[in-house]
Amino acid sequence: DVKVTQSSRYLVKRTGEKVFLECVQDMDHENMFWYRQDPGLGLRLIYFSYDVKMKEKGDIPEGYSVSREKKERFSLILESASTNQTSMYLCASSRNPGPGLGYQETQYFGPGTRLLVL
Amino acid sequence: GEDVEQSLFLSVREGDSSVINCTYTDSSSTYLYWYKQEPGAGLQLLTYIFSNMDMKQDQRLTVLLNKKDKHLSLRIADTQTGDSAIYFCAESMNYGGSQGNLIFGKGTKLSVKP
Repeated sequence: DVKVTQSSRYLVKRTGEKVFLECVQDMDHENMFWYRQDPGLGLRLIYFSYDVKMKEKGDIPEGYSVSREKKERFSLILESASTNQTSMYLCASSRNPGPGLGYQETQYFGPGTRLLVL
Repeated sequence: GEDVEQSLFLSVREGDSSVINCTYTDSSSTYLYWYKQEPGAGLQLLTYIFSNMDMKQDQRLTVLLNKKDKHLSLRIADTQTGDSAIYFCAESMNYGGSQGNLIFGKGTKLSVKP
């Protein structure tokens, strides 16, 4: 069974604090993703990584950074938390589909971290 | 840009069938997915369909794909209260080195009334 874990289920931080959200997967997946989920907006991709030390911006990277020092771990960093970053944060991982058809890019999700910034 | 559209809410009675619809834009998508999110939890893969298929059935779930109209639907037979959740449609992105990325719809919240 694929397992994706996130360091916290609930987190309360103050405006201006530096926040670290950790995600670990145990399936040796190449790809890892960070999303935020807000009511009425669905899932929005913040950053993703397709290899160690590699990162790519998603749709809403502003105010966030990421770190992928080890294959199994992908960290999301809020350098200076703001109230508009209050949200549910979801981490996911998947295998690299490679070229050609017949390869499935199923993303496996962690349970989510609900962050409240006061 | 790529987009996935789905209605935000659906309400059905227990025992009825539920049909959740989705439209997508990327005709090169290899796979299309349905994910389920129960309250307070992450997303769980429910089922998927390969783009050269028209239909896939898995117990109470039936997925229909109309490639011409870029329309995907999920039918849940004999809907139970435990099926109450948010259902996300997603398509795979297969261009620009973004293989492995999915584009998600905003989710359809299914409410099942006893």
